Amino acid sequence: DAGVTQSPTHLIKTRGQQVTLRCSPKSGHDTVSWYQQALGQGPQFIFQYYEEEERQRGNFPDRFSGHQFPNYSSELNVNALLLGDSALYLCASSLVGSGGETDTQYFGPGTRLTVL
Amino acid sequence: AQSVAQPEDQVNVAEGNPLTVKCTYSVSGNPYLFWYVQYPNRGLQFLLKYITGDNLVKGSYGFEAEFNKSQTSFHLKKPSALVSDSALYFCAVRDMGAAGNKLTFGGGTRVLVKP
Repeated sequence: DAGVTQSPTHLIKTRGQQVTLRCSPKSGHDTVSWYQQALGQGPQFIFQYYEEEERQRGNFPDRFSGHQFPNYSSELNVNALLLGDSALYLCASSLVGSGGETDTQYFGPGTRLTVL
Repeated sequence: AQSVAQPEDQVNVAEGNPLTVKCTYSVSGNPYLFWYVQYPNRGLQFLLKYITGDNLVKGSYGFEAEFNKSQTSFHLKKPSALVSDSALYFCAVRDMGAAGNKLTFGGGTRVLVKP
């Protein structure tokens, strides 16, 4: 049973550039969430996608956007990169069934983004 | 808004001794609480969760957590720590106020188990 996968593993960008991170959910899951984890801190929720729509969003600027595809995979896009965007970006998947929600989110290994 | 607090930045324990990692929460309504562990340069691994029912929750790798509503706490415990338990531990609470299952995390507690 494949877990959550993310690509790339590491990424180095310069200020002002744009970046796209990718995530494939755990088999059978239909919901993808993205989190930003700065060094020495807990993960911060960016947004969540379900049925190809953004369902919930955290306190992140519009520079952060996303997409979910029909196969439930997802992308996180960040425009106009700032030094402060350097962090580990974590993707998590879960299952929202018709009868309610399975609450456990399973995380991928993350993408380490460095902005110079 | 819901929140969790992990009052200890680091916990040191000798191998074989009991391990406790503290977490307190603040929510409106009934809490859904989680513990995750993070090893260096890795993502978060799910350990256990409390939704409802017994206050003592058993999870992976011999970990358990005790839910205490009166003290608004959800401390993680392991009766006998291993060196391999050295890692970063996060407590989290699920957002119950809107559609979606957003998690709010504490700042993390680093556990160091010494041989």
